[in-house]
Amino acid sequence: EPEVTQTPSHQVTQMGQEVILRCVPISNHLYFYWYRQILGQKVEFLVSFYNNEISEKSEIFDDQFSVERPDGSNFTLKIRSTKLEDSAMYFCASSGGLAESYEQYFGPGTRLTVT
Amino acid sequence: AQTVTQSQPEMSVQEAETVTLSCTYDTSESDYYLFWYKQPPSRQMILVIRQEAYKQQNATENRFSVNFQKAAKSFSLKISDSQLGDAAMYFCAYRAISNFGNEKLTFGTGTRLTIIP
Repeated sequence: EPEVTQTPSHQVTQMGQEVILRCVPISNHLYFYWYRQILGQKVEFLVSFYNNEISEKSEIFDDQFSVERPDGSNFTLKIRSTKLEDSAMYFCASSGGLAESYEQYFGPGTRLTVT
Repeated sequence: AQTVTQSQPEMSVQEAETVTLSCTYDTSESDYYLFWYKQPPSRQMILVIRQEAYKQQNATENRFSVNFQKAAKSFSLKISDSQLGDAAMYFCAYRAISNFGNEKLTFGTGTRLTIIP
């Protein structure tokens, strides 16, 4: 069964450093998402992406964040200058090519620790 | 804006018994989707069950079923014959319907379910 993959599983970085979190969505999906979950809290939407542009972003997704689909298979989330409060689990998700294909499939997540 | 509320931060149930997790939501839309996701200690998000708001019949997936009350904006999850592997955080989620198919999920705060052997 196809699945969403994410790398790395755990990333430790120092405050102020740039990080790139990588995701490989399911191959025939067209819609891509990033969510984050601060430890012990609910999952929050960051951004959705379609046709090589951002469809929607939350207020969390400020100028420090960017997304890209560089090569037709990977989907990346970049944080330019990490802050302590960026420490969280980051989930990538993808969904299918039809409006009826509403199910979002999640990757296993990347745990980001900012020290 | 849509909101999802889970009023039970923690629940516990004896193995083999039945437990019901509550969820309410607020929306002005008439058509939408509702989901229950399971998050075990590995923190992977696993879809448990989904419900389309236009369907009157409650969704069922093996031991998991929902009680969808559209007028009351209530969407509870019933787990029958609870098993040790059901222990996890359970999140209720709402998704609007659009012509573009890429609406975000809005999650509740979760219910931590403990299974007592």
